[in-house]
Amino acid sequence: AQSVTQLDSHVSVSEGTPVLLRCNYSSSYSPSLFWYVQHPNKGLQLLLKYTSAATLVKGINGFEAEFKKSETSFHLTKPSAHMSDAAEYFCVVIAGGTSYGKLTFGQGTILTVHP
Amino acid sequence: GAGVSQSPRYKVTKRGQDVTLRCDPISSHATLYWYQQALGQGPEFLTYFNYEAQPDKSGLPSDRFSAERPEGSISTLTIQRTEQRDSAMYRCASSPTGFGEQFFGPGTRLTVL
Repeated sequence: AQSVTQLDSHVSVSEGTPVLLRCNYSSSYSPSLFWYVQHPNKGLQLLLKYTSAATLVKGINGFEAEFKKSETSFHLTKPSAHMSDAAEYFCVVIAGGTSYGKLTFGQGTILTVHP
Repeated sequence: GAGVSQSPRYKVTKRGQDVTLRCDPISSHATLYWYQQALGQGPEFLTYFNYEAQPDKSGLPSDRFSAERPEGSISTLTIQRTEQRDSAMYRCASSPTGFGEQFFGPGTRLTVL
């Protein structure tokens, strides 16, 4: 079975300061991991994905995440927050084996950016 | 189409009524997924289709929930005899292949009174 745990339900930062959203995973297989973002009244959008290539993954809008197998972590970071980054972020693991393409979501982290 | 669309965007119904939600995936996408997202939670898998086949419906909460994709494109999710606990955002996603990026629609917010 696979699961993800997002360690913070809310994160608040000031504009221009770094962002860190934490995610730990559990997977029986070598996992594929994603970060999705959800802006109010919009659909979920893929930020970035890890699929066992480079451990440091770069995504859209300046976000990146590092896969650390020893720590079973896949934290999302951005050097400098922008007001438009305010949204809810989901860490996601994709099931291998027979659960073809099934995504398992974390509970989400709401990011607030203060001016 | 340009993206995944879902209708209606909002649905309010009374307990005991049946509701049908619709998903129009990106054309030519083989796989289609349904997720249920309760308030304050992440989406949870309900079922998926590979063209018109439905290989996995393990996430459907009860036999009141059913889904179809008869021609391998548009899909419907039907909830019979709705209950208040069915109130949630229902999200549809499509993907060109099973392990590719899933493209999500805006969701249908269902409220059962």
